Amino acid sequence: DVKVTQSSRYLVKRTGEKVFLECVQDMDHENMFWYRQDPGLGLRLIYFSYDVKMKEKGDIPEGYSVSREKKERFSLILESASTNQTSMYLCASRQDRNTEAFFGQGTRLTVV
Amino acid sequence: RKEVEQDPGPFNVPEGATVAFNCTYSNSASQSFFWYRQDCRKEPKLLMSVYSSGNEDGRFTAQLNRASQYISLLIRDSKLSDSATYLCVVNMRDGSARQLTFGSGTQLTVLP
Repeated sequence: DVKVTQSSRYLVKRTGEKVFLECVQDMDHENMFWYRQDPGLGLRLIYFSYDVKMKEKGDIPEGYSVSREKKERFSLILESASTNQTSMYLCASRQDRNTEAFFGQGTRLTVV
Repeated sequence: RKEVEQDPGPFNVPEGATVAFNCTYSNSASQSFFWYRQDCRKEPKLLMSVYSSGNEDGRFTAQLNRASQYISLLIRDSKLSDSATYLCVVNMRDGSARQLTFGSGTQLTVLP
């Protein structure tokens, strides 16, 4: 059974903290994604990675960075958390453009 | 105009009813199409891929109309457990696995 696992289900952080969200997939997929999902705005792409150490900015990269040192792991970093980054964060992976994406269980981040 | 548009609903239907959702997309060269289901506060999960010839999986039927640029999802004999948000997902054609575009979702509630 395919699996994408995010390190935390719920997180509460303080404004200004550096936050790491980890994602691991066991399907040997080349492509990995970080999205955030907010009510009324749907899923928005933050960053995309198509290979180890390769990344592309998505639609809303400001305030975020990513790291992909190993194929199976894709990390999202909030350099200095702010209250407007309170959201549901979803990691996904996908083999290629013709196949479906598999999602992790999501991390609900609250920045106070 | 949004790249992928869905009627947000909500659709409230009685158990046993048949309900249909449509989704329109703007890029005529789009290649891959999917329906995802998302339960409240959970991650999206693939319901079915949508093929040119149409496809059926039990009570669920998906259709693609390339000429009019829409896909549809039909649910027959609705169950309480079908209550969820249904996301239309389209892969735009640019040679990249990155270009997954999500609709904002259609909320379905099946009533007893």
